[in-house]
Amino acid sequence: SQQGEEDPQALSIQEGENATMNCSYKTSINNLQWYRQNSGRGLVHLILIRSNEREKHSGRLRVTLDTSKKSSSLLITASRAADTASYFCATGSGNTPLVFGKGTRLSVIA
Amino acid sequence: SQTIHQWPATLVQPVGSPLSLECTVEGTSNPNLYWYRQAAGRGLQLLFYSVGIGQISSEVPQNLSASRPQDRQFILSSKKLLLSDSGFYLCASPGTGGLGSYNSPLHFGNGTRLTVT
Repeated sequence: SQQGEEDPQALSIQEGENATMNCSYKTSINNLQWYRQNSGRGLVHLILIRSNEREKHSGRLRVTLDTSKKSSSLLITASRAADTASYFCATGSGNTPLVFGKGTRLSVIA
Repeated sequence: SQTIHQWPATLVQPVGSPLSLECTVEGTSNPNLYWYRQAAGRGLQLLFYSVGIGQISSEVPQNLSASRPQDRQFILSSKKLLLSDSGFYLCASPGTGGLGSYNSPLHFGNGTRLTVT
């Protein structure tokens, strides 16, 4: 079953703008992860945030986690055409494999 | 570092034909291994995972089976393909094994695009 649900399903922005994607989930988690998938390729891990963390940064990526609302957001600042991809959240509950959402398709227009 | 190899990259098979997709992992020992399927425009569905040789857990009842004949080899099979088996199949591993690795970041292969006609 899928736990994470990303929003929006698709997002189109201009190069240089910020992109924000959201993920909501239903049950308690141990951690939440974000992945990127270029068309026709495997997923690449971007960032992991643990349930006791509220915010995490990695380069142009900023992830927040609100466990009271069971939601997370991924912010990509100063987007580039090369950021065009699908982005997935995945939730970990500790003793079962990660569960992935359906993803957000991001298009960055040069 | 860990590398995951999958082949073939693309495959077109008729309905009712058998299937064998192979995944091999380099750079790690006794890793947890996973098969995911991604239908067009959908998220990833976990099909099977394995915590060791000969140990397979099935997440969804379906027309597929998995085997792990060697530590770093994971095979996805079907005796008779259905149209609904079409999709993008991804092998993944955290590079480590055991219960503690269930929530570790996953490394993915480049996938096999299967079209059943």
